[in-house]
Amino acid sequence: DAKTTQPPSMDCAEGRAANLPCNHSTISGNEYVYWYRQIHSQGPQYIIHGLKNNETNEMASLIITEDRKSSTLILPHATLRDTAVYYCIVRVAEMDTGRRALTFGSGTRLQVQP
Amino acid sequence: GAVVSQHPSRVICKSGTSVKIECRSLDFQATTMFWYRQFPKQSLMLMATSNEGSKATYEQGVEKDKFLINHASLTLSTLTVTSAHPEDSSFYICSARDPSRGEAFFGQGTRLTVV
Repeated sequence: DAKTTQPPSMDCAEGRAANLPCNHSTISGNEYVYWYRQIHSQGPQYIIHGLKNNETNEMASLIITEDRKSSTLILPHATLRDTAVYYCIVRVAEMDTGRRALTFGSGTRLQVQP
Repeated sequence: GAVVSQHPSRVICKSGTSVKIECRSLDFQATTMFWYRQFPKQSLMLMATSNEGSKATYEQGVEKDKFLINHASLTLSTLTVTSAHPEDSSFYICSARDPSRGEAFFGQGTRLTVV
């Protein structure tokens, strides 16, 4: 799996957009970008994933650069409940067996301020 | 709703006793489940891969005789911490991937405190 680099921490004002960057300059053509978050004392929660096109769901948007070497997770209107550690993970999707575990880096600790 | 359920969410046990943690996939069958451990202010570290009907695969440095894994059905994996010591106190998390979807799902985690 390609290595990812994320800032260790970020602050965001409540109601504003939170933009979390991730660098993955060694990403391969068949590797997807996944984002998970972990709220304190809970298991990680899936947010979104993408290959090369931008993706949006009810939780967030994922913007992947054209060269795929970096991406940004956007929480359009951050709330206090979005305070968590956000993990960017790059790996090959395994739709059939899922036999390989996700590898977590240090992530970005997002603090949403009131 | 949760698609992977972990139980218990919190347990306190005495040194030397054993503790069993259950991980269930609720609406899909998982031939493979994963067990992680997380110490305070650290990231999740993979302990072992649980394979239905066969032996688990342990990561380097994880004692297989101490952390017993049983994956007897397609929806249930258990982790038993045997002869627990205070240093085994940690947050244990299980995970499984729905074969029909791309993302992995995680249990709520189990906070183990050994006193």
